[in-house]
Amino acid sequence: QQQVKQSPQSLIVQKGGISIINCAYENTAFDYFPWYQQFPGKGPALLIAIRPDVSEKKEGRFTISFNKSAKQFSLHIMDSQPGDSATYFCAASNTDKLIFGTGTRLQVFP
Amino acid sequence: ETGVTQTPRHLVMGMTNKKSLKCEQHLGHNAMYWYKQSAKKPLELMFVYSLEERVENNSVPSRFSPECPNSSHLFLHLHTLQPEDSALYLCASSLRQGFSYEQYFGPGTRLTVT
Repeated sequence: QQQVKQSPQSLIVQKGGISIINCAYENTAFDYFPWYQQFPGKGPALLIAIRPDVSEKKEGRFTISFNKSAKQFSLHIMDSQPGDSATYFCAASNTDKLIFGTGTRLQVFP
Repeated sequence: ETGVTQTPRHLVMGMTNKKSLKCEQHLGHNAMYWYKQSAKKPLELMFVYSLEERVENNSVPSRFSPECPNSSHLFLHLHTLQPEDSALYLCASSLRQGFSYEQYFGPGTRLTVT
């Protein structure tokens, strides 16, 4: 019940394309869903987060879509750039003890 | 220094050694965390420290011992580690306030146990 399943494990996208990463959770008590971005040699950095009272949140080229009934949420990166190449982690929680997905390695080619 | 800093950045130690990892946060936060990051596995929360409580993940072996002398500093003391403990150890901090769960991570310590 505490797991967060993330897919795909890796993703290759051409510059200008849309990158989509999906996550699914089981615990219906979860009410905080962040996405983190991690570059090699760095710690994860908070990218964007959503609460279940909205179905979508957009910040620049990054959008979270949230489906409460399906217990799924996804990250969309519009106009993907080579600088977006990193590992992305979703997480879920109803406290500050975050439950993380296994990560998606995104590569954006020019 | 800004954000969350960790030292050392890299550490190689034998199974009989004793070493410590250090984390310092410059964000005025009131909670700090240790995570373990292994390849192809989710980040694993090891310990949480705040003014009110210390929370442990019961699956963390006793060869890992945390210490939090104040709200800005966090240590992870290591002794008689095993090769499977080789991983990236990340420190994070947050401002525990209402329903805010935002956590800010340091760059990590890459630990290799030989």
